[in-house]
Amino acid sequence: SSELTQDPAVSVALGQTVRITCQGDSLRSNYASWYQQKPGQATILVIYGKNNRPSGIPDRFSGSRSRNSASLTITGAQAEDEADYYCNSRDSSGNLFVFGTGTRVTVL
Amino acid sequence: EVQLVESGGGLVQPGGSLKLSCAASGFTFSGFSMHWVRQASGKGLEWVGRIRSIPDNYATAYAASVKGRFAISRDDSKNTAFLQMNSLKTEDTAVYYCIRGSGGWFDPWGQGILVTVSS
Repeated sequence: SSELTQDPAVSVALGQTVRITCQGDSLRSNYASWYQQKPGQATILVIYGKNNRPSGIPDRFSGSRSRNSASLTITGAQAEDEADYYCNSRDSSGNLFVFGTGTRVTVL
Repeated sequence: EVQLVESGGGLVQPGGSLKLSCAASGFTFSGFSMHWVRQASGKGLEWVGRIRSIPDNYATAYAASVKGRFAISRDDSKNTAFLQMNSLKTEDTAVYYCIRGSGGWFDPWGQGILVTVSS
């Protein structure tokens, strides 16, 4: 399968930790990248590769991979982290790409 | 500063064609693959396709939903990528993003351009 599945929505209390998961067969052999979308703002890359953050991304964002799943963890969530998050990876062929279904994170 | 600016969007009738352009600046355009991603209103992101750079013979690849109807090209002399969209369907209505590809991830993203397919 080339699908990547995410939970539709999660909530987290301010300052607490939230983990967003992405599941799919292609993740057994490919790392996921993670993207943050906020209304009216450009989408930004937050995690890529094994666990890399682009310049300017706070270190409270981290990524991991295990078997057929990938996770984005926000440790000490802030109000500004409220957004939609999408995972992405190559598909099982390695030639195409696929996005996850997206997770809306609400910071309480 | 890396910038990608899409243009060419608009309203087109079902079955029609449209060509999007993506003007790049702030990086060595010829050294990167370029991808197109779209997002229908209120929906998730969908990868559309990509074109690799000249060392990979400008190889293209497309999502199943657009294969045979869409074509990606590039003009490295003008730092521009293109998305030719033919046989458009109402379900192709979306904001289209041109994005630089690097090692399997996409960065940066622009504001995108709206394509509306409607009669």
